[in-house]
Amino acid sequence: DAGVIQSPRHEVTEMGQEVTLRCKPISGHNSLFWYRQTMMRGLELLIYFNNNVPIDDSGMPEDRFSAKMPNASFSTLKIQPSEPRDSAVYFCASTITDRSYEQYFGPGTRLTVT
Amino acid sequence: DQQVKQNSPSLSVQEGRISILNCDYTNSMFDYFLWYKKYPAEGPTFLISISSIKDKNEDGRFTVFLNKSAKHLSLHIVPSQPGDSAVYFCAASSDSNYQLIWGAGTKLIIKP
Repeated sequence: DAGVIQSPRHEVTEMGQEVTLRCKPISGHNSLFWYRQTMMRGLELLIYFNNNVPIDDSGMPEDRFSAKMPNASFSTLKIQPSEPRDSAVYFCASTITDRSYEQYFGPGTRLTVT
Repeated sequence: DQQVKQNSPSLSVQEGRISILNCDYTNSMFDYFLWYKKYPAEGPTFLISISSIKDKNEDGRFTVFLNKSAKHLSLHIVPSQPGDSAVYFCAASSDSNYQLIWGAGTKLIIKP
């Protein structure tokens, strides 16, 4: 079975540009999480979807960040406009809530904003 | 305020010996704890977990111990192998919320 799929794996962009990160959760999973990992702040939860509905977006740093989950098999995290401080590794994870706490992570997208 | 703390940024252990990674938490509502392992350029992968109704859970070379009164858990790896070199994250959750609260991670280095 395929795990969580993220694309692109690496993204280099200039400050001010729009960035879109993509995630395909594991089939059958009903919850999806977007995380950001940096040296300074570790692994931070940005937003959590359950059954395609955003449940908690309190971790989204500011209005430049937005996330959508139009269906059970796809989610996007968009940054517009991007800034150098957004440089980080962004992970997507999925799970079946009401059955397990274990989250399954994708390989991450390394974002560099110059 | 960090609710889950891993106070050792790194740990170096000789191959074949025991590795002990520690984690402390402050929220008494946490009732489920997990350990994840992360290699460079990969996402974290689930290793082992423990419910608050238990004080020990074992899976092969990996054992997690939970001391609720001290709000402390530890991961023991015996014997340590070179492939165990990775960053280990402790995470916690409460029954009402499937979100995980993460520690900062401990980098484990197994020396040959």
